[in-house]
Formats: sequence, C-alpha cells, structure tokens
Amino acid sequence: GENVEQHPSTLSVQEGDSAVIKCTYSDSASNYFPWYKQELGKGPQLIIDIRSNVGEKKDQRIAVTLNKTAKHFSLHITETQPEDSAVYFCAALPAPGKLIFGQGTTLQVKP
Amino acid sequence: GAGVSQSPSNKVTEKGKDVELRCDPISGHTALYWYRQSLGQGLEFLIYFQGNSAPDKSGLPSDRFSAERTGGSVSTLTIQRTQQEDSAVYLCASSLQQTPKLFFGSGTQLSVL
Repeated sequence: GENVEQHPSTLSVQEGDSAVIKCTYSDSASNYFPWYKQELGKGPQLIIDIRSNVGEKKDQRIAVTLNKTAKHFSLHITETQPEDSAVYFCAALPAPGKLIFGQGTTLQVKP
Repeated sequence: GAGVSQSPSNKVTEKGKDVELRCDPISGHTALYWYRQSLGQGLEFLIYFQGNSAPDKSGLPSDRFSAERTGGSVSTLTIQRTQQEDSAVYLCASSLQQTPKLFFGSGTQLSVL
C-alpha cells in the first residue's frame, strides 16, 4: 500500500524566514496531494492541495511543488509568522477515499 | 451544521469495556472518514464511507473495531473489549462526493485505563 514519508519531524525558524517541508510517496497511482495544518486541540485543516497534472501551486505565502517522476512534493511557507506555528501533515491519495498521511512536522516560528 | 461534530470530546474507559464514538458530518457531505491519531503520530486511516456503504474497511486494526453509518449522515465507531493500545484521538472527517477535500472534526480523545 501507499507509504508517505515526511521530513523533518520538527522545524524551528525565525519570524520572517522561509520554511520547507518535504514528503515522498511510494504509490505511483496517487494523483492528489494535500497539506493540512493542525493546531493544538483541533482537527487538521486543509491549507493547500495539488493534483498530479500540476507542478506547482501558490496561495499567498504558501506554495506546493510536485515532482511526479521522483515521487516527492514539498510545502513552502514564506515570510513565516508566529501564527504559522502548528503541526503540518502531507498526504497522498492512492485510491478513492483513502487519503494516506505523513507523520507530521511540528513547525515553530520564533518571534 | 457549521462543521463536523464529534462526541464525546473525551472518553475515559476501563480496559475490556466497549465504547461508541459518534460523528455528525457537515450537512450534504456524502463521504465520511475515520482516522486514528496516536500521541505525536500521524493520522492512521481506519475506514471510509460513501453514503451508507464502506468500500474500504482495510484500515480497521482488528475485529474489535467496527463502524456503521445510517441514513447517509451520522456514523458511529465502536471499539469492543478496549485495550490500552486503543488510547488515541479518533478523528472523523467528511467531504462532498467526488472530492477528496476533507473537513475534520476536533476528535474524541479516548483513554483506556
């Protein structure tokens, strides 16, 4: 089955710096790659997603890139702010309804 | 409703007891999902419903776990004869048909003593 690896597990940056989180997946059938943000005590919330026919997508300070050949995708956050501090999860969809998540990255943005 | 609602928010039970966790999805969402999140871990897929049917039950960890959905809305996840390793946050999500954009509830924190 699909396996999603996420790195790093923790990331600490200064406010204003950029943050990059990387994921790899194993199942070439996966065609949809979302990123979720989870704040303490809450459920994950979708922040950006990308489909396999697109190489890059941007939404304000957030961007996602996808390399299908290498089976990896990345989340880029620019001009980080303290409110970006949270746990971020990548995921891949190898089959309808079965979204497989990475292990998560705890991002800390220091003021 | 405004979002996915899960109850109870916290559940403490004794080893060997059965528990039922409830999920009320966003109105109009036909797809419903259950995930398990152990402390400091990622989200583990348990089961997915499209309407009342569950095309994929492959994530249920053992035959002690079962889930049902009636009327295409509310779902219950039942864990029989709970074990300490069942302690985790159980998250429910829903989505519109034909879209994988999941909306999650805040979860049920299950503690098995």
